Amino acid sequence: QITLKESGPPLVKPTQTLTLTCTFSGFSLTNSLAGVGWIRQPPGKALEWLALIYWDDDKRYSPSLRTRLTITKDTSKNHVVLTLTNMDPVDTATYYCVHRVPTVRGVAFDSWGQGTLVTVSA
Amino acid sequence: SYELTQPHSVSVSPGQTATITCSGDKLGDKYAAWYQQKPGQSPVMIIYQDNERPLGIPERFSGSTSGNTATLTISGTQAMDEADYFCQAWDSSTDVIFGGGTKLTVL
Repeated sequence: QITLKESGPPLVKPTQTLTLTCTFSGFSLTNSLAGVGWIRQPPGKALEWLALIYWDDDKRYSPSLRTRLTITKDTSKNHVVLTLTNMDPVDTATYYCVHRVPTVRGVAFDSWGQGTLVTVSA
Repeated sequence: SYELTQPHSVSVSPGQTATITCSGDKLGDKYAAWYQQKPGQSPVMIIYQDNERPLGIPERFSGSTSGNTATLTISGTQAMDEADYFCQAWDSSTDVIFGGGTKLTVL
């Protein structure tokens, strides 16, 4: 059974850097085709993909946020870390950690964490 | 930038068929997925690779793609299917993108 859990600060100030950690179990990020990503959802709004890291350390970012995002993995700890710099109130959202379906065809996310609400406010 | 367009809302009577569309340029050339999200819960993947259904997802959920449109069909809609539905597409050039979501009302 795959589980993912997000952790990080519930409140950050504008201009600060957000660091979120995803702790997962039930799979290994060293296995071929494995991937872990981050998706966010502002209150009452749509899902927005942020980043994805693959088993081979290939990293993909949302074009609109690429300059502010960094995703890394620690396979020994089963952690994936996302940093988002220069936070703004519009970045207020629930941030989800997700597991990529290990397939050669496309990208989709079959397991989601419970999400963590991050509020950006002075 | 690439965009996926979904109707804001769809209504269906219990037992009837609900159809939710997702439109994007040459969407049929990409891989589509669908997610169901109920209030206060994390999304659940209900369709991937255009028309594949994960284990545990009822057979009444099906997906298809053609041309510029991906379609989620819910046959014999039940009250428990009332939720927000999001489409998602991927290809190697656009990476991951989500639609704006559709609120399905069963009444």
